[in-house]
Amino acid sequence: DTEVTQTPKHLVMGMTNKKSLKCEQHMGHRAMYWYKQKAKKPPELMFVYSYEKLSINESVPSRFSPECPNSSLLNLHLHALQPEDSALYLCASSGLYGYTFGSGTRLTVV
Amino acid sequence: AQKVTQAQTEISVVEKEDVTLDCVYETRDTTYYLFWYKQPPSGELVFLIRRNSFDEQNEISGRYSWNFQKSTSSFNFTITASQVVDSAVYFCALNYGQNFVFGPGTRLSVLP
Repeated sequence: DTEVTQTPKHLVMGMTNKKSLKCEQHMGHRAMYWYKQKAKKPPELMFVYSYEKLSINESVPSRFSPECPNSSLLNLHLHALQPEDSALYLCASSGLYGYTFGSGTRLTVV
Repeated sequence: AQKVTQAQTEISVVEKEDVTLDCVYETRDTTYYLFWYKQPPSGELVFLIRRNSFDEQNEISGRYSWNFQKSTSSFNFTITASQVVDSAVYFCALNYGQNFVFGPGTRLSVLP
C-alpha cells in the first residue's frame, strides 16, 4: 500500500460545528503532516508529527487541533472555523524513501 | 535559504505544441529530493516524479521528460505534444529531511 488516504473528500460545515478530518497511511512512515492550500497558492505546512509526537506547529490557530492516535493515523479536529478557513487540506507522510500526499479534503465553511 | 522558484506564472499553448516548465531551486543540503506535481481543476495533487540529488540522469515517461542540472540548480519539465488534459497547475518542490518547499506553481492552459 503506497497511498495516503484522506476522508472525507468534501466537507461543508457551519461556523459552530465540530468536525474532524482523517488521514491514514500504511507505508510505515513515521512522519505525518497537515497542509492547507488556498486557491491559486501552493500548499502551506500546518503541522508535523514525528513518531506520533507533534514536532512542528506553524503558528496555526487553536481552532485547528491535530491528533496522532497511532503511527498510521492522523486527525485534524476542527471547531469554530471561519469562512476564510475554507481550503483544500492535504495530509502527507514521509519515510526513508518517500514523501507522499493524499488527495485532500475540500473544506467549505459557511 | 531553501527556496523553489517557478518564474512562469501562466503559460498558454495550443494543443500539440511542446512546452517546458522551469524550476530553479536553492538549498544548502547535499542530500535532497526534487518533485513535480500536477494539480488539475478537480484539485487533487498528482505525483509526477521524484528525483534525488545524486541522480542527474534525465528521465522520460511517455510525453513527459525532466532535465535535472545541479550545475544550474534547475529541474525543468517538458511536455511533448501537449493535450487539453494537460491543463493544470504544476508545482515543483524541494524536500530535505522533513521539510518540503513548494514553488509558487505554473498554470498551464492547453487550448484546443
